[in-house]
Amino acid sequence: DQQVKQNSPSLSVQEGRISILNCDYTNSMFDYFLWYKKYPAEGPTFLISISSIKDKNEDGRFTVFLNKSAKHLSLHIVPSQPGDSAVYFCAASTSYDKVIFGPGTSLSVIP
Amino acid sequence: DTGVSQDPRHKITKRGQNVTFRCDPISEHNRLYWYRQTLGQGPEFLTYFQNEAQLEKSRLLSDRFSAERPKGSFSTLEIQRTEQGDSAMYLCASSLDSGTNTGELFFGEGSRLTVL
Repeated sequence: DQQVKQNSPSLSVQEGRISILNCDYTNSMFDYFLWYKKYPAEGPTFLISISSIKDKNEDGRFTVFLNKSAKHLSLHIVPSQPGDSAVYFCAASTSYDKVIFGPGTSLSVIP
Repeated sequence: DTGVSQDPRHKITKRGQNVTFRCDPISEHNRLYWYRQTLGQGPEFLTYFQNEAQLEKSRLLSDRFSAERPKGSFSTLEIQRTEQGDSAMYLCASSLDSGTNTGELFFGEGSRLTVL
């Protein structure tokens, strides 16, 4: 069973516009939700996270929103830049257990 | 460079051979994870260690896979009698568990396995 889902395999956005990446989860026990970014031939790198007790976390151009009732989170990138083109993985964990990753969304930011 | 390092970066082997991957985590990190990633998928959990103790192994993982972290530092992942379905990127990650696991992992660049 896939506990973390990303239903959009790919997304294209014009440079300067907003990128919105979505993620759904099924396990209500998750304590932390994270986004990782991955460039080709590199390992994933941590981007931003949010605790389950919050509904928003912002770090520069990146904001993550959490809707616990809907078991949904999203990553907003504003403004989008060509260097943001990468695969973005949504991930989740409990405070005592392993991290579960979604299948990823490939973002292309078009100059 | 004090990041997570993995060796080898690429391995091509024939079906039925054994392969071993090594991971050196960030030195002060007490948790070490192994994940596997195939094309179009996210990292799939294989196993993880807290210091030298293996805390969990994925139930999807064949008995042909074994991992060790003998002194709580580096780790090895061995695949015996490789099959073509084992072809994937094997990712190692480490983290510092100070009582609360926030999920922030530091990944290596991965070891790509191709089984012919």
